[in-house]
Amino acid sequence: QLQLQESGPGLVKPSETLSLTCTVSGGSITIGSYHWGWIRQPPGKGLEWIGTIYYSGSTYYTPSLKSRVSISVDTSKKQFSLKLSSVTAADTAVYYCARQIVGTTPLYFDYWGQGTLVTVSS
Amino acid sequence: SYELTQPPSASVSPGQTASITCSGDKLEDKYVCWYQQKPGQSPVLVIYQDSRRPSGIPERFSGSNSGNTATLTISGTQAMDEADYYCQAWDSTVVFGGGTKLTVL
Repeated sequence: QLQLQESGPGLVKPSETLSLTCTVSGGSITIGSYHWGWIRQPPGKGLEWIGTIYYSGSTYYTPSLKSRVSISVDTSKKQFSLKLSSVTAADTAVYYCARQIVGTTPLYFDYWGQGTLVTVSS
Repeated sequence: SYELTQPPSASVSPGQTASITCSGDKLEDKYVCWYQQKPGQSPVLVIYQDSRRPSGIPERFSGSNSGNTATLTISGTQAMDEADYYCQAWDSTVVFGGGTKLTVL
């Protein structure tokens, strides 16, 4: 059974960089039909896609965060990571990592991590 | 940018059929999926590629997509189906609908 687990600081100061890692277990991170994504959910609000990475390192990001986001992958550790710079209180959210199934286009997220709450506060 | 619109809330009586809509321009040209999210839990995929059901999802969950509207239908709704439901599609980026809170009362 595939499992994803987010890890990283739960508290980040304004203007600093949020860094999270997702560790994949129970399956391969290098299968071609899978991409690996980050999604966030502010308290009491809906889901917002942040970005996705392929095991080769190819990435695509949501336009509204593109200038502040970087996603990378370490296939040897079966991990992919998120960095979000210059954070503000508006970046406070539960951050999820998830596996994305890809056909001719990216399709859906079939496995999700449990999520980790990141609070931006001084 | 592409947008998916869902009603904020919906209600249904136990045993009845719940329908949740997701609207977007020429949505029928895209694959739509649906997620169920209960309080404090991660989203769970309940429908993918418009109408396919993942293993382990009850048959009472079904989906359709025509014109500008995709619909998630829950037949014989149970109390355990009370949750937030999100539609999602791809239009050069991943797009989520705003979510619909389904109340079973």
